[in-house]
Amino acid sequence: EAGVAQSPRYKIIEKRQSVAFWCNPISGHATLYWYQQILGQGPKLLIQFQNNGVVDDSQLPKDRFSAERLKGVDSTLKIQPAKLEDSAVYLCASSLRQGIYNEQFFGPGTRLTVL
Amino acid sequence: AQSVTQLGSHVSVSEGALVLLRCNYSSSVPPYLFWYVQYPNQGLQLLLKYTTGATLVKGINGFEAEFKKSETSFHLTKPSAHMSDAAEYFCAVSVNQAGTALIFGKGTTLSVSS
Repeated sequence: EAGVAQSPRYKIIEKRQSVAFWCNPISGHATLYWYQQILGQGPKLLIQFQNNGVVDDSQLPKDRFSAERLKGVDSTLKIQPAKLEDSAVYLCASSLRQGIYNEQFFGPGTRLTVL
Repeated sequence: AQSVTQLGSHVSVSEGALVLLRCNYSSSVPPYLFWYVQYPNQGLQLLLKYTTGATLVKGINGFEAEFKKSETSFHLTKPSAHMSDAAEYFCAVSVNQAGTALIFGKGTTLSVSS
């Protein structure tokens, strides 16, 4: 079974530029998560989708971050414009359904450096 | 609000020695607790979790953790460390079965020397 795929793996941009990350979850997984992991910290949930609907986006900085999962499968996370403090690893995870009894499977992440 | 504190950002052990990684939580309601491992350049992988029932939880790769409500702790242990255990370990807590807002600790890097 293929795992969660993410691209690109690495991205370097200048501040105020825009950037987009792509995630393809495990086939059949209804729930998709985006996390931000800043160096030296644990992952922080940015947004959670159930199929193509948003379950929780309370920690997403909506003035600059956006995410979509239009067909309930793959997802895109965008930052526009980027700030220095956005430098982090962005992790995508998926699970069969929501809830603590459904394991979240994580992708390898996209490492973003903002100069 | 719930939170997780991992005591010690770095832990070093010798191969064959006991591994003990500490995690304390704060929650006003019964928590659901998790340990994840992250190998370099890889995503997180679930080691084990406590939901309800038996307080001693066994996970993959010989790891186990015990939920102690009186101490608000969920420490991770392994009797004998292997070189392949070197990684970063994260403790996490959720207070709802929906699993939203999973709160992670800052992580503990485990080094294993021969």
